[in-house]
Amino acid sequence: EAQVTQNPRYLITVTGKKLTVTCSQNMNHEYMSWYRQDPGLGLRQIYYSMNVEVTDKGDVPEGYKVSRKEKRNFPLILESPSPNQTSLYFCASSFSEASGDTEAFFGQGTRLTVV
Amino acid sequence: DAKTTQPNSMESNEEEPVHLPCNHSTISGTDYIHWYRQLPSQGPEYVIHGLTSNVNNRMASLAIAEDRKSSTLILHRATLRDAAVYYCILREDFGNEKLTFGTGTRLTIIP
Repeated sequence: EAQVTQNPRYLITVTGKKLTVTCSQNMNHEYMSWYRQDPGLGLRQIYYSMNVEVTDKGDVPEGYKVSRKEKRNFPLILESPSPNQTSLYFCASSFSEASGDTEAFFGQGTRLTVV
Repeated sequence: DAKTTQPNSMESNEEEPVHLPCNHSTISGTDYIHWYRQLPSQGPEYVIHGLTSNVNNRMASLAIAEDRKSSTLILHRATLRDAAVYYCILREDFGNEKLTFGTGTRLTIIP
């Protein structure tokens, strides 16, 4: 089954404690990205990756890092989480050959709370 | 990024067709029109997309105006499981393929 898998689904952590949210896709997609969803602000892109070792900032990258060492994985790293990073996070992936003409697949989301 | 405008909310009776409108007057020639929906407590789910011609799939139909400045997502027979927030999104055909989500239309299905 084609899917994007995020872990963990729920996470409560303390300010400053480094954490990683994993994202894995089994569709051999080149493009992967991270979004955060906040009430009233909708989904906003954090980082994206066009392929292995190719990453770039989205609209709200401050406080986040990513890496793309393998095609299937795209972890989101919060080196020093702060309460304003409390949010619902989604990973997405899609093919890149004809970017506008392809559908994106989303993970089930990770609800992060930073206290 | 080109902007889309959708009604904040709509209601429909179960088993009746639903027409969800979207305006995108600043669409460029290379923008694809995508629709996603987000059910409660889930990630966004792809529904349908198109460029110029009307499109049909197992979930829905997409009707695109001739000037491409508006489109309508058609759910032919709404069920309670179709209650969700529906997003109309323009996706560029080059560069960062990000999906710029607006506030969407919250669809309520009345039993």
